[in-house]
Amino acid sequence: AQSVSQHNHHVILSEAASLELGCNYSYGGTVNLFWYVQYPGQHLQLLLKYFSGDPLVKGIKGFEAEFIKSKFSFNLRKPSVQWSDTAEYFCAALTGGGNKLTFGTGTQLKVEL
Amino acid sequence: DAGVIQSPRHEVTEMGQEVTLRCKPISGHDYLFWYRQTMMRGLELLIYFNNNVPIDDSGMPEDRFSAKMPNASFSTLKIQPSEPRDSAVYFCASSLTSGTGTGELFFGEGSRLTVL
Repeated sequence: AQSVSQHNHHVILSEAASLELGCNYSYGGTVNLFWYVQYPGQHLQLLLKYFSGDPLVKGIKGFEAEFIKSKFSFNLRKPSVQWSDTAEYFCAALTGGGNKLTFGTGTQLKVEL
Repeated sequence: DAGVIQSPRHEVTEMGQEVTLRCKPISGHDYLFWYRQTMMRGLELLIYFNNNVPIDDSGMPEDRFSAKMPNASFSTLKIQPSEPRDSAVYFCASSLTSGTGTGELFFGEGSRLTVL
């Protein structure tokens, strides 16, 4: 069965620091990948998605992610975080043309002033 | 569009009581998903529907849980009887497939359930 792993459960950064959150998936076929964000007290919102083409995907609010097929990874990055980026971030994978998203366990990011 | 609408936003109930959570998906979306979020287990897919038909309910924890989608604009998740370990945030999400399937889910605000 497919799975999505996020190895960083809690990350604390100072404002302006660079961010990279890891995401690995276990599936050998065609895969679509997503990053969702959940701000405190809010619902999940889509940050960015990868279906095909350029493996470097740019999303909202300055976030980007790189799909590296050989490493089964889809890490999320932001060059300079802001306090307002404090949230929980979820990586998710959709495989084989299906409609069942599998989510990782999430990474709680706290950005300190 | 109003987005995915869930009710109630918060529910506090006592063990053994029946709980019904409601969801109105985005108009025109053909998939509806129920997820449960807890600190221990993260986001778990409970069940999803396509065109009102349940497709995969393998994530439903036990017989106490049931879900229905009587029409394209309404779904319920019922827990009977409820137990303290059911305390979680329950999210409903919907999506629109267009042949290949975009996979982008639109989530509701969630229903926070506390069972005492």
